[in-house]
Amino acid sequence: KAGVTQTPRYLIKTRGQQVTLSCSPISGHRSVSWYQQTPGQGLQFLFEYFSETQRNKGNFPGRFSGRQFSNSRSEMNVSTLELGDSALYLCASSLVATNTGELFFGEGSRLTVL
Amino acid sequence: GNSVTQMEGPVTLSEEAFLTINCTYTATGYPSLFWYVQYPGEGLQLLLKATKADDKGSNKGFEATYRKETTSFHLEKGSVQVSDSAVYFCALSAPTSGTYKYIFGTGTRLKVLA
Repeated sequence: KAGVTQTPRYLIKTRGQQVTLSCSPISGHRSVSWYQQTPGQGLQFLFEYFSETQRNKGNFPGRFSGRQFSNSRSEMNVSTLELGDSALYLCASSLVATNTGELFFGEGSRLTVL
Repeated sequence: GNSVTQMEGPVTLSEEAFLTINCTYTATGYPSLFWYVQYPGEGLQLLLKATKADDKGSNKGFEATYRKETTSFHLEKGSVQVSDSAVYFCALSAPTSGTYKYIFGTGTRLKVLA
């Protein structure tokens, strides 16, 4: 069974550019969440999608956006990149959005903003 | 709001030493509690979980007990190995606006020396 796949794994951008990251969840999983991981802040929740609808959103500026497609694949976009956006962006999928459910994480997309 | 606090690292131990990583939480209602582990270059993976008070989660020699009276979920292992070197995240999942939301601690890096 294939795991969660994130692309690209590494990317370098400059300030002011925009970036799109992709996440393919485990087959059959309908819930996809995104997290930003930085050394100082740990994992910060960005948003969660379930059946193409955003169900939860973290405390990030509007430059961060996402969407989910009918096949459950998800993308997140960051516009007008800032140096502080450099981080590992992790995607996690789960079968359904429940409080006892396990999250399955991808290996992440490491973004460096110069 | 809900939160998770875990001890700061890094924690450095010799092989076969006893491990404790403290984790306390603040939450309304009855959250589920989790420990995730992140090995170098990988995403997070579930280590163990507990879904109600007094439950003990265990896996690969690691244990944690859900203590509602002290709002704690400390991770323990009797004899660590070099292969346990990783970053450990405590997390809770609690109801939020009709769905459930995961909150992660900042992570504790464990280094085990041979």
